[in-house]
Amino acid sequence: NAGVTQTPKFQVLKTGQSMTLQCAQDMNHNSMYWYRQDPGMGLRLIYYSASEGTTDKGEVPNGYNVSRLNKREFSLRLESAAPSQTSVYFCASTSEEGYTFGSGTRLTVV
Amino acid sequence: GEDVEQSLFLSVREGDSSVINCTYTDSSSTYLYWYKQEPGAGLQLLTYIFSNMDMKQDQRLTVLLNKKDKHLSLRIADTQTGDSAIYFCAERKGGSYIPTFGRGTSLIVHP
Repeated sequence: NAGVTQTPKFQVLKTGQSMTLQCAQDMNHNSMYWYRQDPGMGLRLIYYSASEGTTDKGEVPNGYNVSRLNKREFSLRLESAAPSQTSVYFCASTSEEGYTFGSGTRLTVV
Repeated sequence: GEDVEQSLFLSVREGDSSVINCTYTDSSSTYLYWYKQEPGAGLQLLTYIFSNMDMKQDQRLTVLLNKKDKHLSLRIADTQTGDSAIYFCAERKGGSYIPTFGRGTSLIVHP
């Protein structure tokens, strides 16, 4: 089925470890996004990519890096994980009519 | 204040209508959206409305837009237990393609 695929679904990291969250979409969308969702905070935009080859910071970019590998794939990297980065991470891509979200990655940093 | 505001909780009885409200701040908003998030899942686009429309109906869902008051509502008729979820309002401002989300309204449907 067409959509946004995120991996992994769950991850536990120790403070200071690094990891990359993967995201791929097969809808030929130009724009892709990474959000984090925390209780009571709603969705906060971390980084976005308006098109292949471009990336821009969102509301909460500190501690993260991204790569738009090609039109389909947009990865999020945590270089040195901190407990404050414990969250649920959502990747999305968009057309005019709205976002299509992945099912999320639940990350716990201990 | 927040760009997009929603109440945090709404509790309704099964079979009743639910009305979830949202206010936004930018009069240049072009699209307004409602998303649904079920437990453990991502957000799913329910419906959207163009800023030049007042109302949109889709089966049990009715979206009302009052541009003068910058108020958006989602009415769910004959609410069922499967409608229990978090509902997010979002606006897409003029000149931007990135929606701004509210914090979500948790809809609880009880027998």
